[in-house]
Parts: sequence; structure tokens; C-alpha cells
Amino acid sequence: QLQLQESGPGLVKPSQTLPLTCTVSDGSIISTNYYWGWIRQPPGKGLEWIGHIYFSGRTYYNPSLKSRVTISVDTSENQFSLKLISVTAADTAVYYCARVALYNGWYYFDYWGQGTLVTVSS
Amino acid sequence: DIQMTQSPSSLPASVGDRVTITCRASQSINRHLNWYQQKPGKAPKILIYGASNLQNGVPSRFSGSGSGTDFTLTISSLQPEDFATYYCQQTSTTPPYTFGQGTKLEIK
Repeated sequence: QLQLQESGPGLVKPSQTLPLTCTVSDGSIISTNYYWGWIRQPPGKGLEWIGHIYFSGRTYYNPSLKSRVTISVDTSENQFSLKLISVTAADTAVYYCARVALYNGWYYFDYWGQGTLVTVSS
Repeated sequence: DIQMTQSPSSLPASVGDRVTITCRASQSINRHLNWYQQKPGKAPKILIYGASNLQNGVPSRFSGSGSGTDFTLTISSLQPEDFATYYCQQTSTTPPYTFGQGTKLEIK
């Protein structure tokens, strides 16, 4: 069964860069039917889609974060990554990576990582 | 951006109840609407995609309907493991793929 695992620092200082990596196991990141995405959830709040990437490198970003976000893919390592620059306390959240399935014209997030809490604080 | 509004925000219910959660889009999204269940401390889990398609392995007591701007998630007979927070999400042709604010299904 496909597994996704987020990794990265749990604490980032304000104005610095938040780097996260998602490692995909028991499945290949190279697939025509899937994208690979990031979603975040501030403590006690709802879900926010950050963006996703195709194995070819084509990206889709949330316009509200687009100026600060970069999502990249490393097919040789079966990983994809998130970088969020110039972070503030408002970026404190649980960050999830997920697989985005494309099936019969429908997009949906069918496999998720367990999530990693990133706190922005000095 | 397309805004998604769920109602109610909180729903007290009892085991065995039939419950319905509503999600409304700020503009037509055809049937590009997904439903997720999230339990505390866990990642969301897909229940329904394409407004009414049940994800493999999801119990048949869950069902979804709607098109355009108005959608519903129905649980026909609540089980103890169904108490959780439910989110709708639109995935129409243009990102961002926005989520509703969530509906917390609570024990009455």
C-alpha cells in the first residue's frame, strides 16, 4: 500500500525558509494518473491547499501563497518537496503531503502522509 | 477563487441517526466536489469524489449528491466511529482547490 512520509524541521524562525520533503514508498512517483500535493492545517482550523506537482515538474499553486512557495520533484529519490519562504507565525500549521488522483476526470486526494507540525517562532 | 461554505459548523447527533451535511459553492463547479473525514490528530480520509462516487473501502452508509453549487453528504445510520470532522473540497478546472470550513459531527 502506498505510503507518504513528511520530513523537515519542526521549528522555523520568522522570515526564514520552511523546507519539507515527502518520501513516497511502495509506489512510483512517476505516473500519468497522479499528482503530488501539499496541504496545511493551522492548529484548530481548516484545510488549505498549497499546491501540487506532476512528475514532469509542472506545478499548480494556490494564488494566495504563490509568491512564496516552490514545489519540486526528485524522481530518482521518489520524493517531492515544499519550500515556503519568508515565513511568519501565520504559517504555523500541520503540513500534509498527499497523492492527487486523476480518475475519470475527477481529482481527489486519495493517500495522505501523517502530517508534520511546523511552528514558526523565534 | 471559488468559496465553499458548509453547514452546519457543528452537528450534535446520536448513534443510529441519519445526518446530512451541506456544502455550497460560490459558483458552479459541476460535480467536482469531494468529501473527506478527519479524526483528531489524523490526516483526512477521502470518502466521496466527483460528488457521488464512493471511494473503495468506504462503508455504503455514506453517500453524496448534488451538482452545480449545492451538495450534500449523508450518513444513513451513524456509527460510533463516524464522529469526526467532515470537509468538502472543490476541484473544478482551475485551482485553488478550496476546502469548506468543516462540520464537526459530535455526540449528542
